[in-house]
Amino acid sequence: AQKVTQAQTEISVVEKEDVTLDCVYETRDTTYYLFWYKQPPSGELVFLIRRNSFDEQNEISGRYSWNFQKSTSSFNFTITASQVVDSAVYFCALSEARTSYDKVIFGPGTSLSVIP
Amino acid sequence: GAGVSQTPSNKVTEKGKYVELRCDPISGHTALYWYRQSLGQGPEFLIYFQGTGAADDSGLPNDRFFAVRPEGSVSTLKIQRTERGDSAVYLCASSVSGPTYEQYFGPGTRLTVT
Repeated sequence: AQKVTQAQTEISVVEKEDVTLDCVYETRDTTYYLFWYKQPPSGELVFLIRRNSFDEQNEISGRYSWNFQKSTSSFNFTITASQVVDSAVYFCALSEARTSYDKVIFGPGTSLSVIP
Repeated sequence: GAGVSQTPSNKVTEKGKYVELRCDPISGHTALYWYRQSLGQGPEFLIYFQGTGAADDSGLPNDRFFAVRPEGSVSTLKIQRTERGDSAVYLCASSVSGPTYEQYFGPGTRLTVT
């Protein structure tokens, strides 16, 4: 069973629009970590955020915000006032206590294109 | 400071050959990871090192794949008897302590098996 689902394969928005990338995860653990990474066209993955399962506070960092809801097993990522430089593939990832967090499971990614 | 480096950046090999892929992590990072990324997919976990030892190698697809990190720094991923299905980008990442921390990724090695 897929542990991290990113149902949106590709999204296209016009610059300055807001966009939300969905992430739904599956785990039997009560303790786990969730991550978002960005992979720009240059190829190197860049860490964006880490959240543990006990911290359900939403987080905002500049134009980026994250909405963690345990009740729906979702960890969605919103970009406000999108810019062309936001064009990239975004991955949501999960690591679980039962594997000692050793194995980080990535979702399939959402490719975001921001059109000028 | 220097980031994670991987060599070679591209490797083309014939089916059945042996290849070695190298990863040089960020200095001082004790944790090192190998992933494989196929086109249009997310990174697939292969192996995680904490220091010199493999803490979790459950992602290695079969016994043709092996990785070492003898001095707790540089790591080598070794693939024997390569198959066309091994073609992918092999990513290395390191983190200061363990998988719950931010991972810093290298640029990857694109392996093509012909």
